Amino acid sequence: EVHLEQSGAEVKKPGESLKISCKGSGYSFSNYWIGWLRQMPGKGLEWMGIIYSGDSTTRYSPSFRGQVTISADKSINTAHLQWSSLEASDTAIYYCARSRDRSGYPTYYFDYWGQGTLVSVSS
Amino acid sequence: DIQMTQSPSSLSASVGDRVTITCRASQDISEFLAWFQQKPGKAPKSLIYGASSLQSGVPSKFSGSGSGTDFTLTISSLQPEDFATYYCQQYISYPPTFGQGTTVEIK
Repeated sequence: EVHLEQSGAEVKKPGESLKISCKGSGYSFSNYWIGWLRQMPGKGLEWMGIIYSGDSTTRYSPSFRGQVTISADKSINTAHLQWSSLEASDTAIYYCARSRDRSGYPTYYFDYWGQGTLVSVSS
Repeated sequence: DIQMTQSPSSLSASVGDRVTITCRASQDISEFLAWFQQKPGKAPKSLIYGASSLQSGVPSKFSGSGSGTDFTLTISSLQPEDFATYYCQQYISYPPTFGQGTTVEIK
């Protein structure tokens, strides 16, 4: 059974760094892409970026490029989303989700999702 | 970016009702359209991909149709567990984009 397990909720102060994780199981992790999506309080879904677990090729939404870093460690079937300096506006739930590969590109269809990681940033 | 517009933004319905939600793309996306269900406090769940193909394990009361720019999600007989927010998403082009969501509430 495909499962994406995300790390737990975080409470941080502005300016702090953070790295959250998403561990895949039940499938061949290296053969799929993992996307990250943001859901701000009471709002809809925004795609942030995606990484191919096999070779760590990444693509970012223009809205998030330079704001976050996506990485992966295929040896432990885990993808990460990190911030170097959080802002209050980063307060949101962050989801990871799996996407199939199509000849070296993600399909951008997300068939399985993690449970979400709540990130709260406040002074 | 391709803009996705859902209508209505919310609706009230009764158990047993047939419900239809519409999604319109700002340009032709062929059938690269997915639907997701999200219940309060939970992650989104994939329902439909390719505009009309049911994701594994999703009950057949959910159905999708459309191509090009206009799409619909239909729930044939609304049950208590179906009250949720539904999102459409295009995945033909980078970046993938979502509709703003349609909340289905109990009448």
